[in-house]
Amino acid sequence: GAGVSQSPSNKVTEKGKDVELRCDPISGHTALYWYRQSLGQGLEFLIYFQGNSAPDKSGLPSDRFSAERTGGSVSTLTIQRTQQEDSAVYLCASRQQGYEQYFGPGTRLTVT
Amino acid sequence: RKEVEQDPGPFNVPEGATVAFNCTYSNSASQSFFWYRQDCRKEPKLLMSVYSSGNEDGRFTAQLNRASQYISLLIRDSKLSDSATYLCVVNRPVLKLSFGAGTTVTVRA
Repeated sequence: GAGVSQSPSNKVTEKGKDVELRCDPISGHTALYWYRQSLGQGLEFLIYFQGNSAPDKSGLPSDRFSAERTGGSVSTLTIQRTQQEDSAVYLCASRQQGYEQYFGPGTRLTVT
Repeated sequence: RKEVEQDPGPFNVPEGATVAFNCTYSNSASQSFFWYRQDCRKEPKLLMSVYSSGNEDGRFTAQLNRASQYISLLIRDSKLSDSATYLCVVNRPVLKLSFGAGTTVTVRA
């Protein structure tokens, strides 16, 4: 079946602009995660959605970052007033049961 | 201290060799452990779960040492296709995962 998809695959933006990153999880997966990965670094947890529960936002690095998940499916991660340190690969993952997470191909964000 | 720490490598090995590496984790309450594989500029994919008694999956063997809080991965008879970054992953509350920065393995012909 279809895996996790993300769009765009690459995004170049100017410092100070807002960006929106999209994630389509695997159909039926109730849990959705956002991570970011900087060069040579591990995955940094950002936010976690589980069903209709309030999201776990404990990993968001600043109030410039927000995310929503509409209808329990598609999620959008928004970064306002982007900074150069926001440049990274943003990965989305979904999960159904247990701990195994299935990752999308990521969005490579470059802030110039 | 990072939740999960790994030797970044790289481990450069010839085809057919055995390569092994560890990671350490800081949370003694962790219960679930995994190795993920990440190819260059690709997303991470689950390689194998790690069970208390140790487990094998073909040429891959994973071990868990709870007392010392480390996990190991051993690859036997290395193939060129094993070249990748291996991420050590440990659960954290609630239903989240902590990822190490990865160990890079390069298998040469």
